[in-house]
Amino acid sequence: SAVISQKPSRDICQRGTSLTIQCQVDSQVTMMFWYRQQPGQSLTLIATANQGSEATYESGFVIDKFPISRPNLTFSTLTVSNMSPEDSSIYLCSVEQGADTQYFGPGTRLTVL
Amino acid sequence: AQSVTQLDSQVPVFEEAPVELRCNYSSSVSVYLFWYVQYPNQGLQLLLKYLSGSTLVKGINGFEAEFNKSQTSFHLRKPSVHISDTAEYFCAVIINTGGFKTIFGAGTRLFVKA
Repeated sequence: SAVISQKPSRDICQRGTSLTIQCQVDSQVTMMFWYRQQPGQSLTLIATANQGSEATYESGFVIDKFPISRPNLTFSTLTVSNMSPEDSSIYLCSVEQGADTQYFGPGTRLTVL
Repeated sequence: AQSVTQLDSQVPVFEEAPVELRCNYSSSVSVYLFWYVQYPNQGLQLLLKYLSGSTLVKGINGFEAEFNKSQTSFHLRKPSVHISDTAEYFCAVIINTGGFKTIFGAGTRLFVKA
């Protein structure tokens, strides 16, 4: 299994600012994923981050808004840039171990005022 | 396109009653199917998964699900629920698009009443 931690666990930010969310895994993993869960909704995949290559973004998400870093096999960051109230969500980091097993971090609850 | 449909957004049920949370998927290829639970203010936890083999899958906390290929369904069941089962339940499918990607259903809120 993989144990995933995220920082911060929650934050309240002002419109127009940026927040960087960190994801740390206790083992080396190839693929890491970032999801968004808007209030009362399901999870939506933002991007897939592989170490050593640029992140792959899903339709509706762009690098300028959600830049991602993946400097090594146990760490990744997601930045939410130029935030607006519509960005208020829970952001979850996830890792894949094998084709059939995915682990999720506890999430970062972001509120944008 | 692959998709997952959870037919009920909310399911209220009394404690010790049985419950079924419905999930249908659409896919033209083989898929892996999952149920996750999200307790209030917590992350996702895997309940169970279907990869292949027996169509009846048993998971944690007394939950089970049955894969029905002809009906493209993967409904989650528990014969007797507890107050502590109150949570959001997500059905999900992993598809292979050159890398594996998880598609989630909209979620079903199970509310267990005393």
